[in-house]
Amino acid sequence: DAKTTQPPSMDCAEGRAANLPCNHSTISGNEYVYWYRQIHSQGPQYIIHGLKNNETNEMASLIITEDRKSSTLILPHATLRDTAVYYCIVRGPAGANNLFFGTGTRLTVIP
Amino acid sequence: GAVVSQHPSWVICKSGTSVKIECRSLDFQATTMFWYRQFPKQSLMLMATSNEGSKATYEQGVEKDKFLINHASLTLSTLTVTSAHPEDSSFYICSARGGKWNTGELFFGEGSRLTVL
Repeated sequence: DAKTTQPPSMDCAEGRAANLPCNHSTISGNEYVYWYRQIHSQGPQYIIHGLKNNETNEMASLIITEDRKSSTLILPHATLRDTAVYYCIVRGPAGANNLFFGTGTRLTVIP
Repeated sequence: GAVVSQHPSWVICKSGTSVKIECRSLDFQATTMFWYRQFPKQSLMLMATSNEGSKATYEQGVEKDKFLINHASLTLSTLTVTSAHPEDSSFYICSARGGKWNTGELFFGEGSRLTVL
């Protein structure tokens, strides 16, 4: 699975959009970009995933660059409950193997 | 999303005893489950892959005789930490691949915090 690079920490004001970047320059053509988050002392929570098109669901939006070497997770209106560690993971086709977690980005939403 | 449940959520035991942690997929069948370990302020590290009806596959450096994994049914995998020692104290998390639509996402349990005295 391709390696990802994320900033170790970010702050975001409550109510504002949180934009979390991820670099995955070695991603291959059949690898997906997944985002999970982990709130303190809980198991990771699935957020969203995509291959090459931008994706949106009730939690977030995922913007993938045209060359697929980077992506951005957008939380449109961050709340205090969004404070967590966010992991960007690149993984093979659906059903292939497990997830290897990097160090992630610790997002702190500030009142 | 699919629900994966772990039990117990936390456990304290004496050094030298064994502890069993259960991981259940509540609304789907999971042929494969994964066990992770997470030390404080660190990321999740994969320990082993649990396959229903067959032996688990362990990651390098993980002692299979110490961390016994059993996946006897499509909805249950267990991790037994044998002869636990204080250095085994950690947050243990399981995950399962599946869900009703089997789109490949992995769903995680709530985690089990083990403290060995």
